[in-house]
Amino acid sequence: KQEVTQIPAALSVPEGENLVLNCSFTDSAIYNLQWFRQDPGKGLTSLLLIQSSQREQTSGRLNASLDKSSGRSTLYIAASQPGDSATYLCAVRTVRGSTLGRLYFGRGTQLTVWP
Amino acid sequence: EAQVTQNPRYLITVTGKKLTVTCSQNMNHEYMSWYRQDPGLGLRQIYYSMNVEVTDKGDVPEGYKVSRKEKRNFPLILESPSPNQTSLYFCASSFGGAGNQPQHFGDGTRLSIL
Repeated sequence: KQEVTQIPAALSVPEGENLVLNCSFTDSAIYNLQWFRQDPGKGLTSLLLIQSSQREQTSGRLNASLDKSSGRSTLYIAASQPGDSATYLCAVRTVRGSTLGRLYFGRGTQLTVWP
Repeated sequence: EAQVTQNPRYLITVTGKKLTVTCSQNMNHEYMSWYRQDPGLGLRQIYYSMNVEVTDKGDVPEGYKVSRKEKRNFPLILESPSPNQTSLYFCASSFGGAGNQPQHFGDGTRLSIL
């Protein structure tokens, strides 16, 4: 069964810092990997989706990389702002047979950016 | 506005009383899915559907039922709710049956089973 781990569980940084969130997964047979943001009391917002054949995706100040063979992904946030404060989750979709449509989530990294 | 709508947003009910949480999307998405989110356990997939009349179990399907009679709707049914189903539930949808597009989430339904 796919296991997804996110480190660190919580992170508190001053505004302006560049930071890296980590996600690892145990089964490298993935279809894609997504990074989401969740604000308190809200649903999830998709930030970046990386297909298994891709190495990275960028959107604004966010850059996500994928190393499928080692089972790792990182989310890089440049010049962090207080508005970036949220919980960040990664999720992988597997390709193995009967579980093709399943999505497995990590438990998230709770980010606080203080002014 | 493109959105995934869940109803109700909040519900307190008692053990054994059947309930349905509705989910509707207006984006003509093929893929729809239900998740529950619990402290310390994160998000876990309950059921998903790759298209009309096609549903599959996720990681934690026990105690839940779903149906996909129309493309836009994917209701979650708890036939006999129990306290361990108290949780925050999310519905999501995405374009394409294989789910290789970003998922759009609803705002969640907080269920309390007494």
